[in-house]
Amino acid sequence: NAGVTQTPKFQVLKTGQSMTLQCAQDMNHNSMYWYRQDPGMGLRLIYYSASEGTTDKGEVPNGYNVSRLNKREFSLRLESAAPSQTSVYFCASSEGGQGGTEAFFGQGTRLTVV
Amino acid sequence: GENVEQHPSTLSVQEGDSAVIKCTYSDSASNYFPWYKQELGKRPQLIIDIRSNVGEKKDQRIAVTLNKTAKHFSLHITETQPEDSAVYFCAASTLSGGYNKLIFGAGTRLAVHP
Repeated sequence: NAGVTQTPKFQVLKTGQSMTLQCAQDMNHNSMYWYRQDPGMGLRLIYYSASEGTTDKGEVPNGYNVSRLNKREFSLRLESAAPSQTSVYFCASSEGGQGGTEAFFGQGTRLTVV
Repeated sequence: GENVEQHPSTLSVQEGDSAVIKCTYSDSASNYFPWYKQELGKRPQLIIDIRSNVGEKKDQRIAVTLNKTAKHFSLHITETQPEDSAVYFCAASTLSGGYNKLIFGAGTRLAVHP
């Protein structure tokens, strides 16, 4: 049982390049999330998927797109990377539901855009 | 949308002292309030949570209190130890379009000095 797995762990991009961050969970969770973490700003929600087949914007969605490929996988795409997107990205998953449940995090992806 | 404010941003205590971190939230419909601990270079992990129908919850040296009227919740750590040094995040789970999403505070960096 690996939990939440993100790839890659580290990435350096040039401004304007594109890339996709991959996330997979093996806990049969309904909900999945992408957060970015910047110093002093906590974890900010980029996009989330409450259930398979649905996605919705979070607090900071500009410059990103997501795909909920199936129940296990939720990817985050940067179409044209900018230095402002330098950050640590975390994927998370939870059982979901209206009561709120614990979110389990992946190990993070440290992205640098130069 | 939901907004979660967390104070203080940094907290320094002597080993054995108590530490208190406070959060406020804006959406009165929020119903689930977890606290996460993040050690340096690692992923956030849940340490305690509380639901909106409960006023207080305790787990050994940590406790969380919730005041729904004031939209305020707090983390209390007693008898602090050096291994409690980390960044702590509060969060609030709110319904959006029928689905829960988790919004985090900006974090508190706790340093426990021997």
